[in-house]
Amino acid sequence: GAGVSQSPRYKVAKRGQDVALRCDPISGHVSLFWYQQALGQGPEFLTYFQNEAQLDKSGLPSDRFFAERPEGSVSTLKIQRTQQEDSAVYLCASSSTPGERGETQYFGPGTRLLVL
Amino acid sequence: AQSVTQLDSQVPVFEEAPVELRCNYSSSVSVYLFWYVQYPNQGLQLLLKYLSGSTLVKGINGFEAEFNKSQTSFHLRKPSVHISDTAEYFCAVSRGKLIFGQGTTLQVKP
Repeated sequence: GAGVSQSPRYKVAKRGQDVALRCDPISGHVSLFWYQQALGQGPEFLTYFQNEAQLDKSGLPSDRFFAERPEGSVSTLKIQRTQQEDSAVYLCASSSTPGERGETQYFGPGTRLLVL
Repeated sequence: AQSVTQLDSQVPVFEEAPVELRCNYSSSVSVYLFWYVQYPNQGLQLLLKYLSGSTLVKGINGFEAEFNKSQTSFHLRKPSVHISDTAEYFCAVSRGKLIFGQGTTLQVKP
């Protein structure tokens, strides 16, 4: 079946622009995670949804970052007034159960954001 | 707090040689450990995971890892690597969300 998809795959933004990154999880998956991967680093957690509820947003680096999953399927990560330090790969992952420890997360290919 | 340390940033190895990628974790509670692989311009793919039971875990592509509670380690091994194994490898601990190490670049040379 189809895996996790993300769009766009690449995004170039001028500093100060707003961007929106989309994630389509595996159909029926309850949990959805967003991670940020800076160049040469491991992914870092941003936020977690269980269905449409955002249960953990402790990793969002500032109030410029906002995520939503209004119908419990597709999710959008929005970054307002982008800064150069926002340049990174943004990874989305989904899993079939409600955020249980040990559950496998399936990752999308990521969106590479470059802020000039 | 839980954390993961990957002890080598780069591991160069010749094709058909064995390889070990090292991972240490810190945790005060039961751990669930993962190894993911990331090929260039792709997302992360699960290699294997340890939840409980046998400390030797076998994964895809001939990889295996051993959970060692006393040494708080979860090293990844492969007895004979191929060029196609060249990639970035990440060790992670699960708390629902995943906490990743910094990654190890495996460079397989012909």
